[in-house]
Amino acid sequence: NAGVTQTPKFRVLKTGQSMTLLCAQDMNHEYMYWYRQDPGMGLRLIHYSVGEGTTAKGEVPDGYNVSRLKKQNFLLGLESAAPSQTSVYFCASSYDRRGYTFGSGTRLTVV
Amino acid sequence: GEDVEQSLFLSVREGDSSVINCTYTDSSSTYLYWYKQEPGAGLQLLTYIFSNMDMKQDQRLTVLLNKKDKHLSLRIADTQTGDSAIYFCVQGGSQGNLIFGKGTKLSVKP
Repeated sequence: NAGVTQTPKFRVLKTGQSMTLLCAQDMNHEYMYWYRQDPGMGLRLIHYSVGEGTTAKGEVPDGYNVSRLKKQNFLLGLESAAPSQTSVYFCASSYDRRGYTFGSGTRLTVV
Repeated sequence: GEDVEQSLFLSVREGDSSVINCTYTDSSSTYLYWYKQEPGAGLQLLTYIFSNMDMKQDQRLTVLLNKKDKHLSLRIADTQTGDSAIYFCVQGGSQGNLIFGKGTKLSVKP
């Protein structure tokens, strides 16, 4: 039982490159979330999903896209990376929007 | 809007009690949480409190909730050096997400 797995754990991108972060959960959770964490800040919600095939914008969605084609996977895409997207990205999932399980994070640097 | 405020730093001596305070805005939040983050690590749920409770105790941790003042506190008894970390006060948001404070960095001196 792996919980929430994020891949990759680290990545360095050049400005303008694209990439996809993968979040996978094996707990059959309906709700999945992508957050970013910047120095001295708490986590801020980028996008979220309330079930397979659904996505919605959070607090800071600009520059990101998401997809939830399968219930267990929630993908976060950066089409054209910018230095402002240098951050640590956390994925979380929830069964009932009361208890949340977080992944271990992806540290992304855009140079 | 939904917001959570907490002090940024707290320094205590080993063996003392630590009290981390926060205020939140959304009185409709059903659950309020405390998460712990150690350097370079992910987020660990420490404890949570249901909004109709005033207090919750879990071993060395005591959570107090003043719903009237929208004030939440976390007390860590007999603080140890291993408790050094960033502690996030978190409220449940209207979108089923979590609203995080900026975190309180707890430093425990031997």
